[in-house]
Amino acid sequence: KQEVTQIPAALSVPEGENLVLNCSFTDSAIYNLQWFRQDPGKGLTSLLLIQSSQREQTSGRLNASLDKSSGRSTLYIAASQPGDSATYLCAVFRPSGGSYIPTFGRGTSLIVHP
Amino acid sequence: KAGVTQTPRYLIKTRGQQVTLSCSPISGHRSVSWYQQTPGQGLQFLFEYFSETQRNKGNFPGRFSGRQFSNSRSEMNVSTLELGDSALYLCASSLGQGNNSPLHFGNGTRLTVT
Repeated sequence: KQEVTQIPAALSVPEGENLVLNCSFTDSAIYNLQWFRQDPGKGLTSLLLIQSSQREQTSGRLNASLDKSSGRSTLYIAASQPGDSATYLCAVFRPSGGSYIPTFGRGTSLIVHP
Repeated sequence: KAGVTQTPRYLIKTRGQQVTLSCSPISGHRSVSWYQQTPGQGLQFLFEYFSETQRNKGNFPGRFSGRQFSNSRSEMNVSTLELGDSALYLCASSLGQGNNSPLHFGNGTRLTVT
C-alpha cells in the first residue's frame, strides 16, 4: 500500500526566505506526482505536475523535483511571500483500472509572516 | 473558463439520513473523482468516473456511491449517515486521458452530521 509522508508538518518563516518542502513515498512505481496548495476551507489548487519521465518542473518561484528511485520529491519556494501561506500537499498517482489513483500526503502547513 | 462547481457548499444532516452532493466539471473534462477530507484521515480517494463509468473505487463502505451523467456532471450519495461522515467532500475533474492531465478541484461541500 502506497504511503506518502510530508515533512515538515508545519513551518513558520519570515517573508523572503527560500523554502524546501519534502514529500516521500514508499512505492516507487508511480506514474506522476502533483503538488497542490489548499487555502483554509477551500479546495486544492494545482501547482505543478511532474510526469514519471521528468526530473523537475518549474513555475514562477516554484520548482519541484522528483527522484523515483529514492521515493522523494521536493517543492522549492523561492523568496517566500505572505500570500504563500497555505497548506501544501503532494499526491502520487498509481495506475489502476485504465486510470490513476492518487494517494495524498497529510500536507505541510506554511505560514509566511511579514 | 469556469472552474469545478460543487453544490451545496454547506449541508447539515441527521444520523440515518441520506445526502446527495453535486459536481459540475470544467467544460471538456470527462473524468470526475471524489474525495473525503477529515482532520483525522486527511484526503482520501472515494471513486472516479469517466464517460459515465466508474473506473476506480477507494476503500469506503457501500453506503458511498456515485454516478456520472452524459454531460460529465457527477453526483455522490451517502446513505444512512453516520457521525463519522462529517467531512469536507471534494470533487476534481481532469481530461481523464493519460497521466499528464492535472486534477482541478472544486471548493467542496462541508457536510456536518448531527
